[in-house]
Amino acid sequence: EVQLLESGGGLVQPGESLRLSCAASGLPFSNYAMGWVRQAPGKGLEWVSAISGSGANTYYADSVKGRFTISRDNSKNTFYLQMNSLRAEDTALYYCGRALGTVDPFDYWGQGTLVTVSS
Amino acid sequence: QSALTQPASVSGSPGQSITISCTGTSSDVGGYDYVSWYQQHPGKVPKLIIRNVSNRPSGVSNRFSGSKSGNTASLTISGLQADDEADYYCSSFTSISTLVFGTGTKVTV
Repeated sequence: EVQLLESGGGLVQPGESLRLSCAASGLPFSNYAMGWVRQAPGKGLEWVSAISGSGANTYYADSVKGRFTISRDNSKNTFYLQMNSLRAEDTALYYCGRALGTVDPFDYWGQGTLVTVSS
Repeated sequence: QSALTQPASVSGSPGQSITISCTGTSSDVGGYDYVSWYQQHPGKVPKLIIRNVSNRPSGVSNRFSGSKSGNTASLTISGLQADDEADYYCSSFTSISTLVFGTGTKVTV
C-alpha cells in the first residue's frame, strides 16, 4: 500500500524559511514523479511544484517560483519542499502526492502538513 | 496562470444527474487532453476520480464521467447519491508545464 507522510509544517514569521518533507513507502520511489499541492484554509486547491523521478526536472507555480525549491533523495524515499521568503499568502495545508506523470494529477495523497505564516 | 472557472455550487436530488463545467483557455483545457477531476469531502484528502478528460481510475464508480469540448471540460455525476455531496475540482496541464486547478464546485444532494 502506498503511504505518504508529510512533516515539517509549523508557524513561521513572514520572510522566514521552512522545509517540508514527504516520506514515501509502498512504491518504487524513483520510478515516480512527486509533487506538492496546497490548500489555504477554506479555499481551493493550488498546485505548487513537481519533480521527476530522477530529480532532473522540476516545475513550479508562478506564485512560488524563485522562493521554493523541490528536491528528492531517492535513497531515502523522501522528497522535500524548501520554502524561503515565506509570505502570509503561503499559509495553507500542504499535501504531497505521487504524480502519474511529472506535471500530472496525484493518484496518492498524504494527509497534509499545515504551514502558517504570521507575525 | 489563472484558475479554471467552475460554478460555485450545483445541487440535485438523489437519483438525478448533474454536470459541473470547467472553463479554461486554449493554453490549458482547450490545448491538451489532460483534464482531471477530484472529489474532496469536508476535512478529507482529495480523491482523483477522472484523469485525461474521461478516464476513471480503478475503483471509481462509473457514475462519474468526464468530457471536453473546446476550452470547457465537464464532469457528470449520474444517479446522484448522498455521499456525492462534496467539493469537486478540475485541473489541467498548461502550456507552461504547470498544473492549474479550477475554482471548485460544492455539490449539494
